[in-house]
Amino acid sequence: NAGVTQTPKFRVLKTGQSMTLLCAQDMNHEYMYWYRQDPGMGLRLIHYSVGEGTTAKGEVPDGYNVSRLKKQNFLLGLESAAPSQTSVYFCAHRGPGNTIYFGEGSWLTVV
Amino acid sequence: AQTVTQSQPEMSVQEAETVTLSCTYDTSENNYYLFWYKQPPSRQMILVIRQEAYKQQNATENRFSVNFQKAAKSFSLKISDSQLGDTAMYFCAFMRSGAGSYQLTFGKGTKLSVIP
Repeated sequence: NAGVTQTPKFRVLKTGQSMTLLCAQDMNHEYMYWYRQDPGMGLRLIHYSVGEGTTAKGEVPDGYNVSRLKKQNFLLGLESAAPSQTSVYFCAHRGPGNTIYFGEGSWLTVV
Repeated sequence: AQTVTQSQPEMSVQEAETVTLSCTYDTSENNYYLFWYKQPPSRQMILVIRQEAYKQQNATENRFSVNFQKAAKSFSLKISDSQLGDTAMYFCAFMRSGAGSYQLTFGKGTKLSVIP
């Protein structure tokens, strides 16, 4: 899993519900990312963090919030889920040689 | 902003043959990295190969090699001796180097099928 663990792996939400995806890394890396992947698309960056206590917006941040209270954890929150947020979510971190390593993905369906 | 284009949505190749996947990108940066990732049906994103733009020598990893043409902004992936396990989606990705987010910009992918 390239040192990245995502929970949960699968989740079904009703429109308007909230949830949090957890990404945990055991590599002590500073940079962490949340991407989403939709059919026929590559991955798109939602939010990222360059270190503990810092977060920044990516390409598609609307409808999501993130927190990085501890270096090893990067949380992605959906406050009021919408069907458009049905996707596969990938957490990642930046390793040696500026290579990005990904978790196994979390499948989220909003009905 | 950078863009990455993969012009081949789907490709197929006979087992043991060679196939080349195309990728072009648009950037005004001079220093950057390029990557190919493989995504098998399990959806895991697996790094195949990386290239640093300042290096003229093309990267090679076993059966995988790239043809990096910086002036043409082209970064193709060659898979030699194709195996059934190579069946997957392949994504080309760009990363600007230096200070910043080190975020990846992906193409839309090429679905490769290896035929027995």
